[in-house]
Amino acid sequence: DTGVSQDPRHKITKRGQNVTFRCDPISEHNRLYWYRQTLGQGPEFLTYFQNEAQLEKSRLLSDRFSAERPKGSFSTLEIQRTEQGDSAMYLCASSSRGITDTQYFGPGTRLTVL
Amino acid sequence: QKEVEQNSGPLSVPEGAIASLNCTYSDRGSQSFFWYRQYSGKSPELIMSIYSNGDKEDGRFTAQLNKASQYVSLLIRDSQPSDSATYLCAVSGYALNFGKGTSLLVTP
Repeated sequence: DTGVSQDPRHKITKRGQNVTFRCDPISEHNRLYWYRQTLGQGPEFLTYFQNEAQLEKSRLLSDRFSAERPKGSFSTLEIQRTEQGDSAMYLCASSSRGITDTQYFGPGTRLTVL
Repeated sequence: QKEVEQNSGPLSVPEGAIASLNCTYSDRGSQSFFWYRQYSGKSPELIMSIYSNGDKEDGRFTAQLNKASQYVSLLIRDSQPSDSATYLCAVSGYALNFGKGTSLLVTP
């Protein structure tokens, strides 16, 4: 257990539905990252926050995806109008700003879109 | 496009042998390098980080970095069946850029 938690761990939804995932980072970490991983691939960067500011977004993050980190604590990732191609493991990681910036991952949320 | 390349494997080694995992990266300006282990259906778990050229040892694991050749490797000594997993090489930018991972199988 790294101290990063994610909820839910599994989500099955029908195409076209909206889903929201939550990530609680390690308490003293000010950086929070979202990644997506599909079978046989390494995690792919989606977006990251430093405190409450969203500093970078990947081109993978279409306008159906939105992420927030109110008050620089937990973060939510929402996918609107889900598509079958959104089926993946959604990973959250956190780190503290510094030279090493080592990221620790949560257990992930497995999304299946039917 | 910043790329991280790994041989997908599977790499099969007998129990007790040394497993050698390799990774190359394209961004010459990269400063931090990480190896994560990922069991099937689980999230990545940090094994090693390395920032300077040379070797870094932690128990049965040794990470090696050669920035001139843009090459990172991970050696696992005395491999155990419990080491069977996918090993992900990651290179830092503003986020981590991962390779696809190398599948390692340690056979009893």
